[in-house]
Amino acid sequence: QKEVEQDPGPLSVPEGAIVSLNCTYSNSAFQYFMWYRQYSRKGPELLMYTYSSGNKEDGRFTAQVDKSSKYISLFIRDSQPSDSATYLCAMSKAAGNKLTFGGGTRVLVKP
Amino acid sequence: EAGVVQSPRYKIIEKKQPVAFWCNPISGHNTLYWYLQNLGQGPELLIRYENEEAVDDSQLPKDRFSAERLKGVDSTLKIQPAELGDSAVYLCASSSRQGRSYNEQFFGPGTRLTVL
Repeated sequence: QKEVEQDPGPLSVPEGAIVSLNCTYSNSAFQYFMWYRQYSRKGPELLMYTYSSGNKEDGRFTAQVDKSSKYISLFIRDSQPSDSATYLCAMSKAAGNKLTFGGGTRVLVKP
Repeated sequence: EAGVVQSPRYKIIEKKQPVAFWCNPISGHNTLYWYLQNLGQGPELLIRYENEEAVDDSQLPKDRFSAERLKGVDSTLKIQPAELGDSAVYLCASSSRQGRSYNEQFFGPGTRLTVL
């Protein structure tokens, strides 16, 4: 069993809808939780990071971490076709340590 | 500010041949990472450098893979000999703490390797 599980999708939504993504993990030592976006043939780019449990909002993006349930979420409001990409959750035990990624969820936002 | 630079972007070789990938991190970033990304999966760490020292290479298949980071700046990852299963994207990332509580890892575009 992988340390970080993520539904591969694809997830198809109409433009303007809310996109809901999530990951579960098994290692309680993870302290930093990230969401990366990866366009085709590009490297991942950081969208959000959260330290420990709680919520964080940045524009149209909201990240939630529930360490008691070992569950993290990313919500994208007012989704745009440009949000079509693969979204990867990632986590680490300490700042600067290796990232352990989920398998990624493909998201398609249809105009 | 220039991002992480990787070359080549694409490489096609026959099995048993050697191959090398090069990475130049963001200026001033002392931590450098090599990740392997198989199709449809998330990246997995191969090796992490702090300056010129390899501090985490537990996932590097040392029988065929080697890496170096001379002078603590750019880095080279080598495979010799390559096998069919090595076909993947090899990503380089860099980060710097610089007084922050969290050091973001910035990724390069990757090198897509195809082994025939």
